[in-house]
Amino acid sequence: DQQVKQNSPSLSVQEGRISILNCDYTNSMFDYFLWYKKYPAEGPTFLISISSIKDKNEDGRFTVFLNKSAKHLSLHIVPSQPGDSAVYFCAASPNSGGSNYKLTFGKGTLLTVNP
Amino acid sequence: KAGVTQTPRYLIKTRGQQVTLSCSPISGHRSVSWYQQTPGQGLQFLFEYFSETQRNKGNFPGRFSGRQFSNSRSEMNVSTLELGDSALYLCASTRVGRTEAFFGQGTRLTVV
Repeated sequence: DQQVKQNSPSLSVQEGRISILNCDYTNSMFDYFLWYKKYPAEGPTFLISISSIKDKNEDGRFTVFLNKSAKHLSLHIVPSQPGDSAVYFCAASPNSGGSNYKLTFGKGTLLTVNP
Repeated sequence: KAGVTQTPRYLIKTRGQQVTLSCSPISGHRSVSWYQQTPGQGLQFLFEYFSETQRNKGNFPGRFSGRQFSNSRSEMNVSTLELGDSALYLCASTRVGRTEAFFGQGTRLTVV
């Protein structure tokens, strides 16, 4: 039972364009959502997060949108750069750092940004 | 500020052996979580420790265990290794009251 789903295994975009990575979840108890970027043979790097009380959070070129009624979130990268090429993971948690803390990850989307 | 440090980076073990992996969290972070990454299953939660107590556990057999020390450093142990235990094992630390986990570079375990 996959509670966090990233339905696109890969995405290819041109440098300078927008990259949109999507994520769906099924567990209504999820309260906090995060995006991570991962290069091969390295640990995931935290990018940006959003609480369920918000519908948008922005940090530089990265914006995360949350549609709670649709149980859907997306990560927008504008403009995309070749260095953004990596696997992107969506993750969700039932609360913010409480006793039930754990991250449930999607299976990732490989983003390739072509020069 | 130093990041999360995991040792060793690479490990090769034989089926049936046991292994211990080590993790030093970011200074001031008291929560340490462990994850297993495999090509087929993605990143899966193993367990989480806070103040030397296991607070949460994923769906892994009892061969997988862990502990946390008073300085927040953590170890995980896998006994009676199986070929399917070959994976990247990732440790992450989190500040009290926060959800953002910061990961180490992982330990690549190969069971032959």
